[in-house]
Amino acid sequence: DQQVKQNSPSLSVQEGRISILNCDYTNSMFDYFLWYKKYPAEGPTFLISISSIKDKNEDGRFTVFLNKSAKHLSLHIVPSQPGDSAVYFCAASGNQFYFGTGTSLTVIP
Amino acid sequence: DGGITQSPKYLFRKEGQNVTLSCEQNLNHDAMYWYRQDPGQGLRLIYYSQIVNDFQKGDIAEGYSVSREKKESFPLTVTSAQKNPTAFYLCASSIFSGRASTDTQYFGPGTRLTVL
Repeated sequence: DQQVKQNSPSLSVQEGRISILNCDYTNSMFDYFLWYKKYPAEGPTFLISISSIKDKNEDGRFTVFLNKSAKHLSLHIVPSQPGDSAVYFCAASGNQFYFGTGTSLTVIP
Repeated sequence: DGGITQSPKYLFRKEGQNVTLSCEQNLNHDAMYWYRQDPGQGLRLIYYSQIVNDFQKGDIAEGYSVSREKKESFPLTVTSAQKNPTAFYLCASSIFSGRASTDTQYFGPGTRLTVL
């Protein structure tokens, strides 16, 4: 049973525009959330995280928003760049990490 | 350079053979993890270890075994009992603050295992 869901398997965005990647979770006990970026044939690399005591965390072009009542988090990338093209996984933490299925982002030059 | 290495990158084995995947880290992390990734699925936890000589089963431990004799190393053996071993295997490590739920995990490059 998938506790963390990324319902959009893919997303295409023009260079310079905003990319919004979404993630939903089912367990209200999750209290720490992360986004990872993964290129083909490589391991995921940590991008940004947020604790459940916050509703927003920003790092450069990347911002993560957390809506605990909706059990929803999103990653905003502004402005999007071609090098951002990758698969993005969200993860939520309870007693272990649970990962979503990933969203493949393509930024079109 | 600090990091996590997994070898080999690609591995082929015949059905019925055990195979061991290597994972080494020089980040001085206490905790290490093994995940499996299948197409269309998120990463699923196989085993994890928070200290040397101790490890715990994850969600899909059946058909796998691990050892943690050294802090730097956490090899995973895929046994012949694993029904669908073909997958992409990822090793990760983290500090262990005592509250695993906030310890960011750092991943190796992965090993793609194909069982023929």
